[in-house]
Amino acid sequence: GNSVTQMEGPVTLSEEAFLTINCTYTATGYPSLFWYVQYPGEGLQLLLKATKADDKGSNKGFEATYRKETTSFHLEKGSVQVSDSAVYFCALSATYGNNRLAFGKGNQVVVIP
Amino acid sequence: DAGVIQSPRHEVTEMGQEVTLRCKPISGHDYLFWYRQTMMRGLELLIYFNNNVPIDDSGMPEDRFSAKMPNASFSTLKIQPSEPRDSAVYFCASSSSRLAGEAGEQFFGPGTRLTVL
Repeated sequence: GNSVTQMEGPVTLSEEAFLTINCTYTATGYPSLFWYVQYPGEGLQLLLKATKADDKGSNKGFEATYRKETTSFHLEKGSVQVSDSAVYFCALSATYGNNRLAFGKGNQVVVIP
Repeated sequence: DAGVIQSPRHEVTEMGQEVTLRCKPISGHDYLFWYRQTMMRGLELLIYFNNNVPIDDSGMPEDRFSAKMPNASFSTLKIQPSEPRDSAVYFCASSSSRLAGEAGEQFFGPGTRLTVL
């Protein structure tokens, strides 16, 4: 079945550092891929998405490229800010049917001033 | 659009009491999802509906949990009787299968933080 794997553990880094969060997936067909962000005390909100291979999603300085050959959708940001502290979830949606999303476990990102 | 609306935002109750959580999806969306989030178990899908019909309730933990969607603009998640281990944040999300540009994207509500004492 469809599944998403995110790197283990929280990520702590200093302001202006480079951020990478790894995400790999298993899916049949051609899924759409998403990164959601959850700020403290809030619901999940879409950060960016890509719907086909080699697409690059981008928003708020974050980027992720849909790599079918490596089944990956890694999230990157060149210079993080304290306000980027949040939990980040990778997710995929199957090609057909039910709009159901398969979520990764999420990564807590803490940016220190 | 106001987005997905959930009520109440916070609920504190005692063990054994009935709890009802409410959700209003985005107008025009035909899918509705209920999730539970805890530190220990992360984000779990409980049940989802398509056109008001429950499609998959395999994530509902026990018979104490039930969900309904009487019409396209309202859904409830009920816990009866509630137990301390039900304490969590419950999210509702909606999505559309008809809007090509949204490609399966789900829109989440702000959540209901439930505490069962």
